[in-house]
Amino acid sequence: QQQVKQSPQSLIVQKGGISIINCAYENTAFDYFPWYQQFPGKGPALLIAIRPDVSEKKEGRFTISFNKSAKQFSLHIMDSQPGDSATYFCAASTGSSNTGKLIFGQGTTLQVKP
Amino acid sequence: DTAVSQTPKYLVTQMGNDKSIKCEQNLGHDTMYWYKQDSKKFLKIMFSYNNKELIINETVPNRFSPKSPDKAHLNLHINSLELGDSAVYFCASSLLGGANTEAFFGQGTRLTVV
Repeated sequence: QQQVKQSPQSLIVQKGGISIINCAYENTAFDYFPWYQQFPGKGPALLIAIRPDVSEKKEGRFTISFNKSAKQFSLHIMDSQPGDSATYFCAASTGSSNTGKLIFGQGTTLQVKP
Repeated sequence: DTAVSQTPKYLVTQMGNDKSIKCEQNLGHDTMYWYKQDSKKFLKIMFSYNNKELIINETVPNRFSPKSPDKAHLNLHINSLELGDSAVYFCASSLLGGANTEAFFGQGTRLTVV
């Protein structure tokens, strides 16, 4: 119930292509869904986040699509660049628990080839 | 100015030793966390403190003891280190109850137990 399942584990995309990472959850109490980006040797940094009252959120080349009925959400990176090569984590949390606890997916290592 | 800083960045120690990791945040957040990232990059919460009070303790062995002297600091002490404790430990902070619940992560402490 507390799990967030993320796929694929790794992804190779050509420069300029679209990278798509998918996540699924079971707990319907989750109400905050962030995506974090992590470069080697660094901590995760928030990339973009969405709440379940909207189906899509776009920030620059990054878009989250959210399907509440399917309990799935995905990250789309348009015009992928070599600088986007990193590990991406989806996460979920429950605002009502008032703990800020993030449940992370397993991570996706993205490599963008020049 | 670093938002969430933790020291040391690297820690190599022998089995059975006791070690501490320190964390400080200058964001004015009221909640701090310790997350563990294993060799497969999976991130899992260990502890959370809100206004110096423990609010999350995720079935972590008693050898791990967090201490929060004030809202801006959260330290992690580990007794009798074991090989399986080798991982990257991340400190994070956030502001609970606000519209933006973004968690900011430190750079991590890579602990290697030999």
